[in-house]
Amino acid sequence: SQTIHQWPATLVQPVGSPLSLECTVEGTSNPNLYWYRQAAGRGLQLLFYSVGIGQISSEVPQNLSASRPQDRQFILSSKKLLLSDSGFYLCAWGRGTDTQYFGPGTRLTVL
Amino acid sequence: GENVEQHPSTLSVQEGDSAVIKCTYSDSASNYFPWYKQELGKRPQLIIDIRSNVGEKKDQRIAVTLNKTAKHFSLHITETQPEDSAVYFCAGIGGADGLTFGKGTHLIIQP
Repeated sequence: SQTIHQWPATLVQPVGSPLSLECTVEGTSNPNLYWYRQAAGRGLQLLFYSVGIGQISSEVPQNLSASRPQDRQFILSSKKLLLSDSGFYLCAWGRGTDTQYFGPGTRLTVL
Repeated sequence: GENVEQHPSTLSVQEGDSAVIKCTYSDSASNYFPWYKQELGKRPQLIIDIRSNVGEKKDQRIAVTLNKTAKHFSLHITETQPEDSAVYFCAGIGGADGLTFGKGTHLIIQP
């Protein structure tokens, strides 16, 4: 069966510091991968999606970037965090444009 | 692209009563509609989905109905229990970038 991992689970970072969040999927190959952000009490904002290695599409302009160095690895990065980057970051995988399955998430607090 | 509207944003029902959450979508070509449940601090979990060749689908106390002509679909929860308290998200296919989510409904089950 498929499993999706995210780390770290929680992170507290100062404004202006860099960020790297990692997501890996097991038990499937060539998945579509997604990064979402969820502000407290809010909905799911799609940040990036990827249909293959090295293929990244961005949904909103921001100071975040994403990379997919391997088939089942998706990384979210920032060079300098802003206060507004705080939130719950969720990685998801799916097949085509169908069901998506979410990872456990990373709770990021920028101080 | 797809636009998904979800109502109400908050729904409070007495334990044992039924709850109904409604969503409308804009893209008549959409053919897949999942529902996710997100408990506080946790990841969204798929609870039920429906495809456009079916008008209704049931799984124990939950059911989803789809009206393609009117472009709306609904989640029905019967005999609500305290563990049904959560935020529920509907979604539709958003094109190449996968699912488009509604803004969520906070369901509160009153004892």
